[in-house]
Amino acid sequence: AQKITQTQPGMFVQEKEAVTLDCTYDTSDQSYGLFWYKQPSSGEMIFLIYQGSYDEQNATEGRYSLNFQKARKSANLVISASQLGDSAMYFCAMREGGSTSYGKLTFGQGTILTVHP
Amino acid sequence: DAMVIQNPRYQVTQFGKPVTLSCSQTLNHNVMYWYQQKSSQAPKLLFHYYDKDFNNEADTPDNFQSRRPNTSFCFLDIRSPGLGDAAMYLCATSRRLAFQGYNEQFFGPGTRLTVL
Repeated sequence: AQKITQTQPGMFVQEKEAVTLDCTYDTSDQSYGLFWYKQPSSGEMIFLIYQGSYDEQNATEGRYSLNFQKARKSANLVISASQLGDSAMYFCAMREGGSTSYGKLTFGQGTILTVHP
Repeated sequence: DAMVIQNPRYQVTQFGKPVTLSCSQTLNHNVMYWYQQKSSQAPKLLFHYYDKDFNNEADTPDNFQSRRPNTSFCFLDIRSPGLGDAAMYLCATSRRLAFQGYNEQFFGPGTRLTVL
């Protein structure tokens, strides 16, 4: 079964508008972490934002915010005021368990975001 | 600046000819990971090191090996590359935190491997 599901293969947004990228996850662990990474066409993976399973408030980092709904097991990324440089592949990822997981990440299939001028 | 470095950025090899990809880090992180990412797919974890302890993923082919001679360096060896091994190879690091957690993974720029 898929542990991380990103149902939007591609998304389009107008420059300066906000966009939401969907992510749902499946785990039986109580302690886990959720991450979003950006991967431009050059290939490097850029860390954007992190949400811990015990964090009561939604994470925010500049124009990025994470809409964490624990009961629904969703961790959607919201990008406000989109910029042309935001065009990239976006991956949602989950880290399960404690020390025995060694911080391993499971990635979703990704969403390609295209920002139009 | 502290970072994760991968060399080379682009590697071309011939079918069956051994190849080694290199990763180094200045972050002093104790965990290093190797991922394989094929075109338009999610990164797939091949193996990771916690300090000198090697951990192989169950479905990683025997064709892939790794070495970590010290904290800073980690190598990915592909003994007999096949056409299906053409991919982006990403190295990442993370650090074990207090209370048994880990911080986010920091990725290198990747090595794009072409097999002719």
